[in-house]
Amino acid sequence: GQNIDQPTEMTATEGAIVQINCTYQTSGFNGLFWYQQHAGEAPTFLSYNVLDGLEEKGRFSSFLSRSKGYSYLLLKELQMKDSASYLCARRENTGFQKLVFGTGTRLLVSP
Amino acid sequence: GAVVSQHPSWVICKSGTSVKIECRSLDFQATTMFWYRQFPKQSLMLMATSNEGSKATYEQGVEKDKFLINHASLTLSTLTVTSAHPEDSSFYICSARGGWLAGADTQYFGPGTRLTVL
Repeated sequence: GQNIDQPTEMTATEGAIVQINCTYQTSGFNGLFWYQQHAGEAPTFLSYNVLDGLEEKGRFSSFLSRSKGYSYLLLKELQMKDSASYLCARRENTGFQKLVFGTGTRLLVSP
Repeated sequence: GAVVSQHPSWVICKSGTSVKIECRSLDFQATTMFWYRQFPKQSLMLMATSNEGSKATYEQGVEKDKFLINHASLTLSTLTVTSAHPEDSSFYICSARGGWLAGADTQYFGPGTRLTVL
């Protein structure tokens, strides 16, 4: 992705907690999205942050620090079905509000 | 709500032929739709932004004459891959940015179209 960095792969065990970090270029920033994508499928929306702080949605939470150009996705009580790629995407402050995606983090949850 | 469909879900074609992919927003009007391409184990790369009633805006390096985009209505955008070659084989995904019904802050993705060019 364009100046959006995420770890390539992570592994964790069922029931554990995992944090996926994302750093991005701050210029022209207008929001940070997290999507989940299973192999061969389209991405599904997980969370959106535009202000600093933590947004909690059930087992998933997302954090944003605008000044640091940093976000993380926190997954609690991991389940096998959480094995997927997690995409961090920065929305640009342009007329089209387009998204620029990171390379994605492949998460493998083992028993 | 906020459902986006794509058709076909997969297509196999011969080299040199053209393929049309449709993207529809089923329960909301989408003034803006986006077309992405994703190669295996890579992230989504934006190809172009499609706006209803106007010409598409292409990303750098994407050939506008090869990837024709038409956004004729608020619920339909089409991508035509002209004179397809094996290197065009990829997973093509559209997304739609909704109005008040879907929430203007979110892009909703279609299920994708797997294109294989022989």
